[in-house]
Amino acid sequence: GIQVEQSPPDLILQEGANSTLRCNFSDSVNNLQWFHQNPWGQLINLFYIPSGTKQNGRLSATTVATERYSLLYISSSQTTDSGVYFCATPNQGGKLIFGQGTELSVKP
Amino acid sequence: EAQVTQNPRYLITVTGKKLTVTCSQNMNHEYMSWYRQDPGLGLRQIYYSMNVEVTDKGDVPEGYKVSRKEKRNFPLILESPSPNQTSLYFCASSFDREGSYEQYFGPGTRLTVT
Repeated sequence: GIQVEQSPPDLILQEGANSTLRCNFSDSVNNLQWFHQNPWGQLINLFYIPSGTKQNGRLSATTVATERYSLLYISSSQTTDSGVYFCATPNQGGKLIFGQGTELSVKP
Repeated sequence: EAQVTQNPRYLITVTGKKLTVTCSQNMNHEYMSWYRQDPGLGLRQIYYSMNVEVTDKGDVPEGYKVSRKEKRNFPLILESPSPNQTSLYFCASSFDREGSYEQYFGPGTRLTVT
C-alpha cells in the first residue's frame, strides 16, 4: 500500500519564524490533506490539496503530484501554531493513510 | 455549521461496562469511519461505513461494534471494554469527490478504561 513520510519529525521555532514541512508519498494520489492536531488533541482540517497551491492566512500548501510530495508553509509562526501536523491520503477504500507527523513547538 | 460531533468528549469507565460513543454529521456524507490514536502507533481505522446499513472492518476491529441505521449517525459500541482500549477516538465523515474522499474529523473522545 501507499507509504506517507513526513519530515522533519520535530521542529522548534521562535515566534515569528517561518517553516516548511514536507510530506512524501510513495505512489500517485488523488487527494492529499493536511491536518493540525492541537495540544487538546483535536484534528483540524487545514487543506485539501490534491495538486497546486492554496493559501489560508499565514498558512499555505503546495502539492506536486507528479513528484509525489506536498509542502506546508507556516509564516510568522505563533505559539498557537504548536502541535502536530499530519498529512494524509486515502486509499481506494477511503481509509486515510497518515504520515507520522511533524511535532512543532513555537516558543514565545 | 458543517460539522462532525462526538459524545462524550471524555470518559473514564471500568472494565466490562458497556459503553457507546456517538457520532453525528450534518453534511449528508455517505462515508463515515472510526479511528483510534495511540502513542507510537498513529491513527488506525477501526470500522468504516460506505452508506446506510453498509459497514466493514478496518485495521483494528476487535472489541468494537458499529451500526449505521441512519445516514447521519455512526455510533461506536464497546460491549465489554478492556484497558487496552484506552485511547483517543475520532469519528470522521467524507464524501466521494470524483474518486477521492475529503475527510472531516470530530473533536475526539478520550476514553480511559480502568
